Order: sequence, then C-alpha cells, then structure tokens
Amino acid sequence: DTGVSQDPRHKITKRGQNVTFRCDPISEHNRLYWYRQTLGQGPEFLTYFQNEAQLEKSRLLSDRFSAERPKGSFSTLEIQRTEQGDSAMYLCALDKRLSNTGELFFGEGSRLTVL
Amino acid sequence: QQQVKQSPQSLIVQKGGISIINCAYENTAFDYFPWYQQFPGKGPALLIAIRPDVSEKKEGRFTISFNKSAKQFSLHIMDSQPGDSATYFCAASYQGGKLIFGQGTELSVKP
Repeated sequence: DTGVSQDPRHKITKRGQNVTFRCDPISEHNRLYWYRQTLGQGPEFLTYFQNEAQLEKSRLLSDRFSAERPKGSFSTLEIQRTEQGDSAMYLCALDKRLSNTGELFFGEGSRLTVL
Repeated sequence: QQQVKQSPQSLIVQKGGISIINCAYENTAFDYFPWYQQFPGKGPALLIAIRPDVSEKKEGRFTISFNKSAKQFSLHIMDSQPGDSATYFCAASYQGGKLIFGQGTELSVKP
C-alpha cells in the first residue's frame, strides 16, 4: 500500500465529455504529482503541487486540463472536451520521503478510455 | 536533452539467472536515478535508486551500477524469480523530484 488512493479506477467516456479524477493521500504530504502513462510507454510528468500551490505544468497539459489541490490534501485532475488521444492511465504520486529526489510513491492510477 | 534511453525492450531470463537492463542519458542536470517496477494494472513501485556520485548500490537481489562519465546506469537482478516478471522503468530526476522515464523493459522469468 503506497498510501495513495485514486478514483475512479476506470472511466469510459465519449469524446467531448468532461471527466474528473481524484487523488487522495492517506496522510498529508507536501508534494503531489500527476503523471500520464499511455500503453507500452513510461509515465510522463504532467504537473505537481507543493501543498496547495501548483508549481509547474508540463507542455503536455493543454488548456483542456486543469488540476487543483485545495487545502493541500486531495487533488483533482479534470479533462474537458475529451479527445481519443487522452486515453491513458492517469497516475498520482507522492514524495513521501520529502526528499525531492524522485523517489515517488504512485497510486494504482485511473484508466481513461475515450470512445 | 530530456531523454532517458532504455534497453532492451523485452527480456526473457531463466529462473535463477541474472537480468540486466541498461539506461543512458544525456542531461547532466539529472540528479537522482530511481528504478520502478510495474505489474499489469498497477502503478509503478519504487524499487531502488542511486545518486550520481555513487558507482553501485545493492539492495537484496537488486543492484544498480552507475557510470557517470559514460552517462549510463543499469539494473541487475540476481537469482531472477518468476515473481520478478514485470515491466521495469529506469528514470532520471530533475528540478526537485520530477521524473523522466525510460521506455520500459518487459521482463519474463521462465521457471
């Protein structure tokens, strides 16, 4: 158990619909990351938070994507007007060791399929 | 160059053998190099990690060898077991914990 809960685990939606994923750390950790993983590839960095502040967004995160972390605990990732290219596993990760070294603990992910 | 190149793409090893996965990078700003193990349908799990000023790190059956001058590092799995069958990713950390992942190696350990 990595202490990271993600919901939903699977989401199937039609193109053009909005979807929201939630990440719940079991305990508070100041750094929280979102990654995206497509089939057969390694995860790619999307964005990360230090407490409630969103410190960086990857160029992969188009204007249709928005992430929040109110109160510095749970986080949400919303995708508006989904496209088939958004189909992927969306992973939330924590820097539980507070080491800023990339020793991250990942949740089991939310798999999105856009039809 | 923000890339980490990983090889081989797939690997078949007999039980008890040594599995070796190699990675190479270009960007000298990378400051930490973790390895992750991923089973189907699960998120990546941190396996072992190394700093660039260390040439080798061993944890149980897993060893990282690091060659800073060649900008290469590798994972060795000794006495490979069927339960080690998974996809392995090398990664490089930069700017406070963000990761660039390799393309992954699908390891199959045959009994």
